[in-house]
Amino acid sequence: GESVGLHLPTLSVQEGDNSIINCAYSNSASDYFIWYKQESGKGPQFIIDIRSNMDKRQGQRVTVLLNKTVKHLSLQIAATQPGDSAVYFCAENILPSGNTGKLIFGQGTTLQVKP
Amino acid sequence: DAGVIQSPRHEVTEMGQEVTLRCKPISGHNSLFWYRQTMMRGLELLIYFNNNVPIDDSGMPEDRFSAKMPNASFSTLKIQPSEPRDSAVYFCASSLRRGQAEAFFGQGTRLTVV
Repeated sequence: GESVGLHLPTLSVQEGDNSIINCAYSNSASDYFIWYKQESGKGPQFIIDIRSNMDKRQGQRVTVLLNKTVKHLSLQIAATQPGDSAVYFCAENILPSGNTGKLIFGQGTTLQVKP
Repeated sequence: DAGVIQSPRHEVTEMGQEVTLRCKPISGHNSLFWYRQTMMRGLELLIYFNNNVPIDDSGMPEDRFSAKMPNASFSTLKIQPSEPRDSAVYFCASSLRRGQAEAFFGQGTRLTVV
């Protein structure tokens, strides 16, 4: 069935260090993946996405890696800052022709940044 | 654009009462999603619409839940009758239909059923 799961519920890092958040997915038909950040009291906010025809994509301070062989997704945050403290979700999206598809979310990883 | 707008932000109601949550998607977006978030179950997709038509409502927990989208700029999620286990944060999100699956989320409605 469809499921997206995260390996660790909480990740604690020192300010300035790099963070790596992992995610496993089980649906081999998924062809689009998104990382969201959710701060307390707010809705999820888009960080970065990647399509299945890519294995790496970089944004500002963030990099997403996709390993389709083992169905694994990771989010790397460089030089982690206190403002990065939040819950991070990976989500998978199946894009049937002419349709947005639906997002299936993982359980989330809490990132705590220590000053 | 103001983004996805949800109302109310907070709702406290008594068990058995009807609850209606409202959502205004981003103008021009053709897809609308209702999610429920709890500590135990995380973010669950309840239902989604494309061009105002419900496409997949398999996530709707039971018949007490219903959703409508009468036009491209408005959607409601109704719970009748409400139960304490319905307490959660309900999010609405919208996205463009073709080629872009990124969903933009509203601030959510925190529902407490006592």
